[in-house]
Amino acid sequence: NAGVTQTPKFRILKIGQSMTLQCTQDMNHNYMYWYRQDPGMGLKLIYYSVGAGITDKGEVPNGYNVSRSTTEDFPLRLELAAPSQTSVYFCASSWPAPNSPLHFGNGTRLTVT
Amino acid sequence: DQQVKQNSPSLSVQEGRISILNCDYTNSMFDYFLWYKKYPAEGPTFLISISSIKDKNEDGRFTVFLNKSAKHLSLHIVPSQPGDSAVYFCAASGAGANNLFFGTGTRLTVIP
Repeated sequence: NAGVTQTPKFRILKIGQSMTLQCTQDMNHNYMYWYRQDPGMGLKLIYYSVGAGITDKGEVPNGYNVSRSTTEDFPLRLELAAPSQTSVYFCASSWPAPNSPLHFGNGTRLTVT
Repeated sequence: DQQVKQNSPSLSVQEGRISILNCDYTNSMFDYFLWYKKYPAEGPTFLISISSIKDKNEDGRFTVFLNKSAKHLSLHIVPSQPGDSAVYFCAASGAGANNLFFGTGTRLTVIP
């Protein structure tokens, strides 16, 4: 099992550009999450999904969008990138309950300049 | 507002000794607590958890203690090994998938 796979590992964007961070999991987990981690801070929840076709906002959703068309994939879309979105982004999945331990991907380091 | 706090950004311990990592929370509705370990360039990995109905949970060298009245939990690692050197995140959750909050992490260095 690959677990949770995130691509790309690194990306540099110019202000105003857009991109999609990819996340896929092969564990058939129903819950999926996107977190961001800023230096010296804990992980903050951006968006989450409780199953295919269902998504909802987390603590810091502004500037982001998600979709969940399949159980496996949970892409995160950044429109009009801003320097404040410079961060490390982690995708995670869990099963069967909302408070089950999370399985994380290895992260995407994004710099917006 | 930080609902989960780890007030020690870093901790250094000699190999073989005990490491104690601390975590405080503010929301009395949290009922499940977890510790994650993170190596550089990797995602966090789940280490150990405890439900609010318990005050201690042990898994090998790792023990988590929960003091609900003080809203405090701690992770004990005995004996500490160089491979334990990592950043440790405390997390607390209440009901619902959007109700998990992380602390800012403590970087543990175990000196050989």
